[in-house]
Amino acid sequence: EIVMTQSPATLSVSPGERATLSCRASQSVSSNLAWYQQKPGQPPRLLIYGASTRATGIPARFSGSGSGTEFTLTISRLQSEDFAVYSCQQYNNWPWTFGQGTKVEI
Amino acid sequence: QVQLQESGPGLVKPSETLSLTCTVSGGSFSNYYWSWIRQPPGKGLEYIGYIYYSGSANYNPSLESRVTISADTSKNQSSLKLSSVTAADTAVYYCARAGIAGPPPVWGLGTTVTVSS
Repeated sequence: EIVMTQSPATLSVSPGERATLSCRASQSVSSNLAWYQQKPGQPPRLLIYGASTRATGIPARFSGSGSGTEFTLTISRLQSEDFAVYSCQQYNNWPWTFGQGTKVEI
Repeated sequence: QVQLQESGPGLVKPSETLSLTCTVSGGSFSNYYWSWIRQPPGKGLEYIGYIYYSGSANYNPSLESRVTISADTSKNQSSLKLSSVTAADTAVYYCARAGIAGPPPVWGLGTTVTVSS
């Protein structure tokens, strides 16, 4: 199965700053890459699919890029509600697999 | 607004079968893919499998020998059965809905299942 590796494990940033999160696949997943946001006690929320397409209702400050094996999620100006864990997921090869997550904290 | 609700026992004994149901309200069951995903405490997410509403299922090979996912369009429900459970199956179990065989945008709140004697 494809292994998804996220870095860093924890990202410390201040409100208003830019956050850049990385996700690497152990083999090419084309553009079949999604990003999720998860807060404690809540289910994941789909942010991005197709590597760069925002899901319905997702603010424009969230953007995704990359293809193949290297992907990036950028949050342009962090707001208080953005502090959470972010996970990437490939859906190119079954079984679809998730990264271990990056925690964005103050 | 569609809502997904997972239900089932919160405690299952080792070697027994875990059975969960996902009930859909406020939206259509047909023409969607229904996924089951789990998250062990403090760990990442794991796809268990998914089923198209008409009954074609895909299972994670790591669980395939123990998993059955079904869909009941008359009840607007998807069900998960996981047999011969161990402590490693302790997790929050989520059901989710997608319009394509891809990342689901709609999730249930999840239900915690603990495997313990």
